Amino acid sequence: AQSVTQPDIHITVSEGASLELRCNYSYGATPYLFWYVQSPGQGLQLLLKYFSGDTLVQGIKGFEAEFKRSQSSFNLRKPSVHWSDAAEYFCAVGATGGYQKVTFGTGTKLQVIP
Amino acid sequence: EAGVAQSPRYKIIEKRQSVAFWCNPISGHATLYWYQQILGQGPKLLIQFQNNGVVDDSQLPKDRFSAERLKGVDSTLKIQPAKLEDSAVYLCASSPRSSGGIYFGPGTRLLVL
Repeated sequence: AQSVTQPDIHITVSEGASLELRCNYSYGATPYLFWYVQSPGQGLQLLLKYFSGDTLVQGIKGFEAEFKRSQSSFNLRKPSVHWSDAAEYFCAVGATGGYQKVTFGTGTKLQVIP
Repeated sequence: EAGVAQSPRYKIIEKRQSVAFWCNPISGHATLYWYQQILGQGPKLLIQFQNNGVVDDSQLPKDRFSAERLKGVDSTLKIQPAKLEDSAVYLCASSPRSSGGIYFGPGTRLLVL
């Protein structure tokens, strides 16, 4: 069965600092990988996705993520965080065979301080 | 392109009452998902439809939850009777036949008293 681990429940960074959110997955083959963001009281918005090809994926709002097969990781990065980036971030893994079942991690809550 | 629509946005009921949520996916999306998100947790898949057929309902509490997707378009999720632990946000999402990520609606926030 596929699964996702987000080891950091809560992260605090200063505005303008760089950010890296960790994500590790478990899946028997090369999976589909996603990062979503959820602002308070809002639905989930897709930030970026990896299906195949280039392991460095660019997303919206200046985010990027790198797929590392050897580490079963798909960490999310941003070079300079803005106060509006404060939200909860979810990593998700999708099955590549059959129907696209997508499993989410427990999320990392990002706090941005001035 | 219109996004995933859900209604109602908020619902408050008492335990043992019934409730229904409606979802209209993005036009042309063959796959529809219902997720449950309890406060402080990640979304948990309840049921997944491919067109109007169920492909995964392994985590759906079938003694009280039911869902249908008639004609392969919109969908309804029902809870009968509701329990206190059903208080959560119910998220509907859809995806196209070719894998392209899944797209979420705004969710329905349910409070069971």
